[in-house]
Amino acid sequence: QKEVEQNSGPLSVPEGAIASLNCTYSDRGSQSFFWYRQYSGKSPELIMFIYSNGDKEDGRFTAQLNKASQYVSLLIRDSQPSDSATYLCAVNRRTSYDKVIFGPGTSLSVIP
Amino acid sequence: NAGVTQTPKFQVLKTGQSMTLQCAQDMNHNSMYWYRQDPGMGLRLIYYSASEGTTDKGEVPNGYNVSRLNKREFSLRLESAAPSQTSVYFCASRDRAAAGELFFGEGSRLTVL
Repeated sequence: QKEVEQNSGPLSVPEGAIASLNCTYSDRGSQSFFWYRQYSGKSPELIMFIYSNGDKEDGRFTAQLNKASQYVSLLIRDSQPSDSATYLCAVNRRTSYDKVIFGPGTSLSVIP
Repeated sequence: NAGVTQTPKFQVLKTGQSMTLQCAQDMNHNSMYWYRQDPGMGLRLIYYSASEGTTDKGEVPNGYNVSRLNKREFSLRLESAAPSQTSVYFCASRDRAAAGELFFGEGSRLTVL
C-alpha cells in the first residue's frame, strides 16, 4: 500500500462547478497535510496546508481533514479553466518530521 | 529572488555514465530535498537533508548518492546511470521551523539512453 494515495483521475468538470479531489494516507502519525498544484512542465506550488481536523477555507479553495478516517480533500468552488492542472497531496509525519511524501497526483481538467 | 536553483536543466547520458545534479537555495532554509517525477507517479522522495551535515533516505534512494555541502547546497549524484533513472528531478527546500511550504527549483530533465 502506498503511503499516500489519490483518486486516479483524470477528473473533468465544467466551468463553474465544484471540483473535489481526495487523498488518503496510511500513517496515523501523519501531522501536516498539503495540497500543491502543478501546471504541465512547471514546478509544484503550494495551494493550502491543514493541520487540524475540520475545514480550512482560502478563497475558492477548501481543504478538509479527517484524521480518524485518514482522509484529506480539496474542494475547488467555481472552477475555472485556469484551475486545470495536476493536484498533489503531500503528507508530513510527526515521527519523521522532515520527510515529506507526495501522492501520485490527480489531473483536473476544467471544461469551458 | 533566485530561490532554489538547479543545474543543469537538461542532460542526456549514456548508460553507465555518471553525473551530479546541483541545487542551491538562498532562503536560509535548513531542510533540502531531492524528488523525481515520472508520468503518473507524482513526486517520489529520493533523499532529504534536515540540516547541514545530515542526510536520510527517502522512498527511492537506490542508485543515488547525495551530499549536503553546506547549508545552501545539496547535490544528487548518479554513479552509473541506468535508463530507469530517466526522469524529471526536482530539488526543494523549506524552513524546518515553519514546517510548511516546500519551495521547488525548476526541475532537471534527465534522459539516460
